[in-house]
Amino acid sequence: AQKVTQAQTEISVVEKEDVTLDCVYETRDTTYYLFWYKQPPSGELVFLIRRNSFDEQNEISGRYSWNFQKSTSSFNFTITASQVVDSAVYFCALSEAYRDDKIIFGKGTRLHILP
Amino acid sequence: KAGVTQTPRYLIKTRGQQVTLSCSPISGHRSVSWYQQTPGQGLQFLFEYFSETQRNKGNFPGRFSGRQFSNSRSEMNVSTLELGDSALYLCASSLGALVGNTGELFFGEGSRLTVL
Repeated sequence: AQKVTQAQTEISVVEKEDVTLDCVYETRDTTYYLFWYKQPPSGELVFLIRRNSFDEQNEISGRYSWNFQKSTSSFNFTITASQVVDSAVYFCALSEAYRDDKIIFGKGTRLHILP
Repeated sequence: KAGVTQTPRYLIKTRGQQVTLSCSPISGHRSVSWYQQTPGQGLQFLFEYFSETQRNKGNFPGRFSGRQFSNSRSEMNVSTLELGDSALYLCASSLGALVGNTGELFFGEGSRLTVL
């Protein structure tokens, strides 16, 4: 069965520190997609990244980077030099694209960046 | 382009009442999904519609229902409201049917329902 676990419920760091959000997933499929979404206080989730199961390359986008490791079923997200605007709830999600067409979300990690 | 629009943004109901929430997807998007977000359970999938057909459904009781119109707008209905139905209901749209292939869901700001 599909499952996404974000063990960190809440994290607080001081501005400019680096922070890593953990995500562990479970799936029966060999073809699947992983996502990260950001939910600011306004409520709408904002797409950050998608990674398919055949692409284990790590990705960097500005201060954001993602580490995908199939061997440990993890898809961790790192923010370097954090800023107050990064404060939000971050969700990791999984889709088994050819089995059904829904995205299963983790419970989210609430990130507080303290000035 | 205009984003996903959900109405109403906030509403208060009492137990036993019913509620209808509306979602207008991004123009051109044919898939609409609904999620319930609560502090305890996180984001839970309700259902997904594509071209007016419900293609997938989460593990919610029959009191939760939805539909999609020919213009892709969607509504969800909750009948006989219970206190536990208090939540943020999020709608998301995507271009195609296979969300994994399109890769991205566009979310609205949600409808916050409080049941008293």
